Parts: sequence; structure tokens; C-alpha cells
Amino acid sequence: DAMVIQNPRYQVTQFGKPVTLSCSQTLNHNVMYWYQQKSSQAPKLLFHYYDKDFNNEADTPDNFQSRRPNTSFCFLDIRSPGLGDAAMYLCATSARLAGVHEQFFGPGTRLTVL
Amino acid sequence: DAKTTQPPSMDCAEGRAANLPCNHSTISGNEYVYWYRQIHSQGPQYIIHGLKNNETNEMASLIITEDRKSSTLILPHATLRDTAVYYCIVRGNYGGSQGNLIFGKGTKLSVKP
Repeated sequence: DAMVIQNPRYQVTQFGKPVTLSCSQTLNHNVMYWYQQKSSQAPKLLFHYYDKDFNNEADTPDNFQSRRPNTSFCFLDIRSPGLGDAAMYLCATSARLAGVHEQFFGPGTRLTVL
Repeated sequence: DAKTTQPPSMDCAEGRAANLPCNHSTISGNEYVYWYRQIHSQGPQYIIHGLKNNETNEMASLIITEDRKSSTLILPHATLRDTAVYYCIVRGNYGGSQGNLIFGKGTKLSVKP
């Protein structure tokens, strides 16, 4: 059963053309995360939502924004994609921020920037 | 920065135990050791976590040294489907940034027939 769903799995955009990636979850988790994973590198946290509270990592570029209209959905907006933004974007959820818990990851969206 | 050190790669014969080491010499008292793995072109998958006692679940066993400065993930009977990058992550128990998963480079485990 799909728990964290990411659409599309592959996205191609043009340099500078805004793009939105989507994530949905059936787990009813409070926390949703977005990670960026470049080729042959480890995932890097961009930001997360705890309910409607948005938390940006200090080194996440302003070019990256996020929206969470409800518990189930979270979007990653890249306002002006550059060639360096080509990567796998991973969405994850967890039941809470503190305490012992696991994160559940989606399959990722691979973004190509032409 | 990641607080763990892992070998970049390991090989294991199918059916044998895979023992993946991790050093976390700066771990603090409230931090847990988590293991995730990432099969090629998939999202990371949680495997197991522990604080100081050894842990076992249906996927793996986690052995943590008494001083908690290192640990070993054991896959008792590795299969070809266990080929993946394995990440050892030290994570705090509280919210805020210390509760985030900070991925290091991981160990690429190749299970060979």
C-alpha cells in the first residue's frame, strides 16, 4: 500500500521555468520533509513542516519554497530552476518531531533541468 | 555535518551475514543510532534504531558497543535485494535541528551471488 506518494516520478523543466513537485501521504503524519539528493550524494534536508509550522534549513536557497495546504499534501516549488538544481527530490513523513520515530520516504521525483 | 563514519563500500556473498560498521565517537547521551538503507532509485527505508542495548527486528540486528562510540548493523542472511547504500545516522531525541536526519556518505553494500 502506498504511504508516501510523489508525483511525478520524473520531471523535466527548462532553465528558469518554475516547477512544482508534489507529495501526498496516507499516514496522517504531522511532519512532512523535503530532501534534495544530487547524483552520488546523500540526501540533504531542505525544510520541513510540523503541522502548518514551516521550518527552513539555514542553507536552503531562497529559490526553494514549500506549501502545505492540508495534512495530506505538501508541495515543493522551485521558482527559477538552475542546472545545479537537477537532483532527486525526496519527500518524507514522520508522526512527530521529537522522540523516537522513523521517517517514511516516498520514491522521489527526479528533476532534470535543460 | 554527519556525526558518523562508515566504510564507503563492502561486498558480501549471498546467504552470508553482512556486518556493516559505523563509528560515532562523539555521540551524546540522548542520541540514538538509526540505520536506513537506500536501494537504487528508491527513497531511503528505515531499518532499525537503538540507544545502548542491542536491538533485533525482522530486517536486521544492531549491536552497539558499551561505550556507544561504534555500532554494527548485521543482516543475518544477505540476499541480492539487500544491495543498497546503508546509512548510519546519529539523531537526538528532542525536536529542533538535533532531531533531523543528517545523512553521511553511507556504505554501499554489494551482495554477490
